[in-house]
Amino acid sequence: QSALTQPASVSGSPGQSTTISCTGTSNDVVTYNQVSWYQYHPGKAPKLIIHDVTNRPSGVSDRFSGSKSGNTASLTISGLQAEDEADYYCSSYASSTVVFGGGTRLTVL
Amino acid sequence: QLQLQESGPGLVKPSETLSLTCTVSGVSVSSMSYYWGWIRMPPGKGLECIGSISYSGNTFSNPSLKSRVTISLDTSKNQVSLKLNSVTAADTAVYYCARRGGYCSGSNCYSRDWFDPWGPGTLVTVSS
Repeated sequence: QSALTQPASVSGSPGQSTTISCTGTSNDVVTYNQVSWYQYHPGKAPKLIIHDVTNRPSGVSDRFSGSKSGNTASLTISGLQAEDEADYYCSSYASSTVVFGGGTRLTVL
Repeated sequence: QLQLQESGPGLVKPSETLSLTCTVSGVSVSSMSYYWGWIRMPPGKGLECIGSISYSGNTFSNPSLKSRVTISLDTSKNQVSLKLNSVTAADTAVYYCARRGGYCSGSNCYSRDWFDPWGPGTLVTVSS
């Protein structure tokens, strides 16, 4: 069970948009439309921001959006704000269990 | 409002068993369609799913940890438990419990990949 592949870091200026990719395999991302994204601020619990590829839980800003094409899922954050600076993790269903990506550090310049 | 809280020893000796409890409030752990999971984050590393358990007690574990992991429900205390045996320093991590998504269609229930909400997490250090 291999982790999903994410870039180690991305950055953007306030007001801009940025996209984080999450690459999987036929064992996970390709086969299942179950990809989630989490925002993690160190010292806090991860927060679910996208589930089932494109769905935002209640209360999550519509600046966060998700998509998937083939073996790659993506998280786009529009109108970057300072508070968006955090680590972001993707996850996918994988035969009854769940596999996570290695995480991406987003820096807001 | 669903809330979860992890508890257990913060220090475990190598080769011993790590035991953690997740106390759930706001819903019964045996409520149909509810699944519960354990996830960990080693220092400086990413998230790793340890395993999950359904409302009826069916378990699903990470293949890389399966032989060392036991997850169970205590419905009398409304708790979810994790036991990880034969621990090493590599098991040092912040351990989280969380509700795992699920849904039922008729009498059949299925788990989803997402976890929400999460407990605040508890740091477990493996050291002699």
